[in-house]
Amino acid sequence: GAVVSQHPSWVICKSGTSVKIECRSLDFQATTMFWYRQFPKQSLMLMATSNEGSKATYEQGVEKDKFLINHASLTLSTLTVTSAHPEDSSFYICSARGFGGRNSPLHFGNGTRLTVT
Amino acid sequence: AQTVTQSQPEMSVQEAETVTLSCTYDTSESNYYLFWYKQPPSRQMILVIRQEAYKQQNATENRFSVNFQKAAKSFSLKISDSQLGDTAMYFCAFMKPLGSGSYQLTFGKGTKLSVIP
Repeated sequence: GAVVSQHPSWVICKSGTSVKIECRSLDFQATTMFWYRQFPKQSLMLMATSNEGSKATYEQGVEKDKFLINHASLTLSTLTVTSAHPEDSSFYICSARGFGGRNSPLHFGNGTRLTVT
Repeated sequence: AQTVTQSQPEMSVQEAETVTLSCTYDTSESNYYLFWYKQPPSRQMILVIRQEAYKQQNATENRFSVNFQKAAKSFSLKISDSQLGDTAMYFCAFMKPLGSGSYQLTFGKGTKLSVIP
């Protein structure tokens, strides 16, 4: 149980275009999802917390207009990288908290490798 | 703010041997949760083990166990009978409930573990 599906797994786009990444909780409802960015050989950096039915909460230094987050349902959150630039190239991972009470861990999607040319 | 420190950027262990990965954290909270996640080359984040701060007993999951020292704010991971498939990045994570169903998760920088045949 507690499967998180992330799509696409790899996307290559041209500079200036926008890219949408989807994160779905397949067998549970997630009122909160998290979006992380991971640079090579580094840890996960929390970008924002996605809340169903309300605005996302962004971490300091993360541009809200650059990284648009929409949590339209209890099973889907999307991250749109707008007007992508080469420096946006990175590995993006979403996660959602599983069921099972207060100590439920986060379950992660497989990640999306974004390459902006 | 919480900080999570993994002081060993890289470690190696012979197959079938035992290895311990260290993790320390800094917090003023009394209610929190600790996790170890594994990230193999596929980059999928996989939960290895979890520990509730209010439990004194160390968590164990098959070959994986933790040494949780709450007073010392230490949360080390022991891998017994190391297998080649254990080769991965290991991240220590601290989770603090913020109330109203929200919570904060902080990752360490990771330890790259290589299991040598």
